[in-house]
Amino acid sequence: EPEVTQTPSHQVTQMGQEVILRCVPISNHLYFYWYRQILGQKVEFLVSFYNNEISEKSEIFDDQFSVERPDGSNFTLKIRSTKLEDSAMYFCASNVRNEQFFGPGTRLTVL
Amino acid sequence: QQPVQSPQAVILREGEDAVINCSSSKALYSVHWYRQKHGEAPVFLMILLKGGEQKGHEKISASFNEKKQQSSLYLTASQLSYSGTYFCGTEKANTGNQFYFGTGTSLTVIP
Repeated sequence: EPEVTQTPSHQVTQMGQEVILRCVPISNHLYFYWYRQILGQKVEFLVSFYNNEISEKSEIFDDQFSVERPDGSNFTLKIRSTKLEDSAMYFCASNVRNEQFFGPGTRLTVL
Repeated sequence: QQPVQSPQAVILREGEDAVINCSSSKALYSVHWYRQKHGEAPVFLMILLKGGEQKGHEKISASFNEKKQQSSLYLTASQLSYSGTYFCGTEKANTGNQFYFGTGTSLTVIP
């Protein structure tokens, strides 16, 4: 069964460093998303991506964040100059026809 | 605008029933329900699109009221495997763009 994959599963970085989180959505899906979940809290929408451009972003998704689809399969989230409060699980998701499939997540720890 | 989810937590004995509610101040395009086990990604359960719709998935079913402002998730004859955090995700428009998740309901089923 097709699934969304994410790498790495765990990323540890120093405050101020840049990180790139990678996702491979399901191949025939059209919409791609990044979400964040701080430990013990709800899932928070960051950004949606369609037709090779951002279609919607939340107030969390400021200039520190960017997304790219560098090739036909990968979907990346870049976080510049990480802060302690960026520590969270980051989930990628993709969908077609309303059902969202989530990847296993990347746990980002900022020290 | 995030939906309001209630209750925050519930503990059940195996075989008991539970209801989880998700409310919005404005009419929604759709409601999605997800279950998340500790340390895992959310898993899609079902989507409701039409006012008055009811839908089932094994012994888990959901409804969407006529005004499309409230959805309820019904878990009947609960099993140990139902334990997890349940989130509703809502869309305000048919853009496939932005989902707002509720704060989650922690469900624990004990023997």
